[in-house]
Amino acid sequence: GQNIDQPTEMTATEGAIVQINCTYQTSGFNGLFWYQQHAGEAPTFLSYNVLDGLEEKGRFSSFLSRSKGYSYLLLKELQMKDSASYLCAATGGFKTIFGAGTRLFVKA
Amino acid sequence: SAVISQKPSRDICQRGTSLTIQCQVDSQVTMMFWYRQQPGQSLTLIATANQGSEATYESGFVIDKFPISRPNLTFSTLTVSNMSPEDSSIYLCSVAPSGGTETQYFGPGTRLLVL
Repeated sequence: GQNIDQPTEMTATEGAIVQINCTYQTSGFNGLFWYQQHAGEAPTFLSYNVLDGLEEKGRFSSFLSRSKGYSYLLLKELQMKDSASYLCAATGGFKTIFGAGTRLFVKA
Repeated sequence: SAVISQKPSRDICQRGTSLTIQCQVDSQVTMMFWYRQQPGQSLTLIATANQGSEATYESGFVIDKFPISRPNLTFSTLTVSNMSPEDSSIYLCSVAPSGGTETQYFGPGTRLLVL
């Protein structure tokens, strides 16, 4: 079967670091996406990991372990505008399966 | 990247009626998808819109309820037929310019409320 798990909600403090975990099970796995979605808006692309390891892009980094079916999104130097839902999505074949999303609250 | 527009951006419809949502992309793309996002939930793939052939529907979605057209590589429509309040949702068009395993870009969405 296909399944993606990520925490429902997380809270962190402005300026801190937060790690959002995602585990997945999907057939014919190709890669792992992370999207950011602010309330009432469409998802926007953050990262796409195909190979194992950490990829850094500014304040955001994404990690993938294909053997463990595990990924995380790391957000550094949190800002209030980072309050949003973060969607983990696994792609296999020509389909992308989305997790339920993790709602991140950044407090002052 | 790809710039995607959707019409209408939002609508309020009566039970039993149908609504057609349009998706326009600023460049030719191979793969186009239609998703639904119900309140407080993540995205669920409805179907893949195939140019020149019938759409490929996911489990739980049927052509009679969600007919899709894809007349060319830059345009697609999704119709929500015989609507009920359970169809109230955000409908999102998505494209993968380089194929299904590459980055997907999303349109702004169509917010539908069925009374």
